[in-house]
Amino acid sequence: GAGVSQTPSNKVTEKGKYVELRCDPISGHTALYWYRQSLGQGPEFLIYFQGTGAADDSGLPNDRFFAVRPEGSVSTLKIQRTERGDSAVYLCASSSFVGGPRYNEQFFGPGTRLTVL
Amino acid sequence: GNSVTQMEGPVTLSEEAFLTINCTYTATGYPSLFWYVQYPGEGLQLLLKATKADDKGSNKGFEATYRKETTSFHLEKGSVQVSDSAVYFCAPGGATNKLIFGTGTLLAVQP
Repeated sequence: GAGVSQTPSNKVTEKGKYVELRCDPISGHTALYWYRQSLGQGPEFLIYFQGTGAADDSGLPNDRFFAVRPEGSVSTLKIQRTERGDSAVYLCASSSFVGGPRYNEQFFGPGTRLTVL
Repeated sequence: GNSVTQMEGPVTLSEEAFLTINCTYTATGYPSLFWYVQYPGEGLQLLLKATKADDKGSNKGFEATYRKETTSFHLEKGSVQVSDSAVYFCAPGGATNKLIFGTGTLLAVQP
């Protein structure tokens, strides 16, 4: 079946611009996570959705970052006034909720590589 | 919050050698523990997991045992292959299963 998809695969923008990154989770997965991975580092948690609501947004670095999941499926990560330090690969993952999230594998998308010039 | 310390790489081994990648964690509560792998040019994928103390996760010849007393989840494989060359990430997951990843260990297996 289809896995997690993310668009675009690459995004180049200029400092100060606004960007949106999209994630399509696996159908039926109620849990959705955003991470970002800088070069040579492990992924860093940003936000977790259970259904439509953000259950944990403790990883968002500042108020320039915002994410939505209005219908409990597709999610969009929005970054305002981009900075060079935002350059990274942004990863989305989804999982089912059977038995609770701690028991379930997260399936990762291929990521969006964001470059801020 | 949770944190993880992972063996630094790169680790370079000859084919059929024994592999250990050390991982220790600190956690509030009782996390699940995961090893994820990133093969060259591919996305992150789950290698194995353990959800309670003394559980052993295993997959593709890799094993790791959840050691609560030493807060460790070391990855082992008895005989590595060239195809195992990848970056390996240890990651505890909390109540919401947000994963806290280590820096990753690059494994290079030479024929």
